[in-house]
Amino acid sequence: GAVVSQHPSRVICKSGTSVKIECRSLDFQATTMFWYRQFPKQSLMLMATSNEGSKATYEQGVEKDKFLINHASLTLSTLTVTSAHPEDSSFYICSPGQEFFGPGTRLTVL
Amino acid sequence: KNEVEQSPQNLTAQEGEFITINCSYSVGISALHWLQQHPGGGIVSLFMLSSGKKKHGRLIATINIQEKHSSLHITASHPRDSAVYICAVRWRGEKLTFGTGTRLTIIP
Repeated sequence: GAVVSQHPSRVICKSGTSVKIECRSLDFQATTMFWYRQFPKQSLMLMATSNEGSKATYEQGVEKDKFLINHASLTLSTLTVTSAHPEDSSFYICSPGQEFFGPGTRLTVL
Repeated sequence: KNEVEQSPQNLTAQEGEFITINCSYSVGISALHWLQQHPGGGIVSLFMLSSGKKKHGRLIATINIQEKHSSLHITASHPRDSAVYICAVRWRGEKLTFGTGTRLTIIP
């Protein structure tokens, strides 16, 4: 299967700061990137879907101005959590094409 | 409504036992995934299948399209197999729908 990396793997930040999470698909060209988050003891929840070079489509209840997604190339997508708050603390996972999954980024907002 | 159900929710077994985890879904699908999530959180895609059976090492995944059911088997289970196993299905053109997961614990 494809190798998918996420950076950073974990991040701790202060409330009000912005955090950028990178997702790289090393050997799979992802036309569509899916971003999920997972709260403790819950299943993955889809946040948004992005097509390369286009604006992302967000799921109901996910603020597009808070979770900025950039999918500039077939191998790189970024998720920026702007003005993070403690309730944004979660595990964020990218999935190129819904076929492969990144290792995840654990975000803790103090 | 498209639903995915996994059973059991929790499973504890002795090392060496044969493990079976089940997944049922409500309507026809285009693909089914089995995922493994370790305590650290990282997700590994084990299998993607739409028919028949796939095998990788000690892991076997089967799917019965008529019965809308899939099973994940682990032979000669080992403590390192302890993880949460997640079934996820995709209906044609739709997003993945995830099961609630099965927490497997293998005791040495």
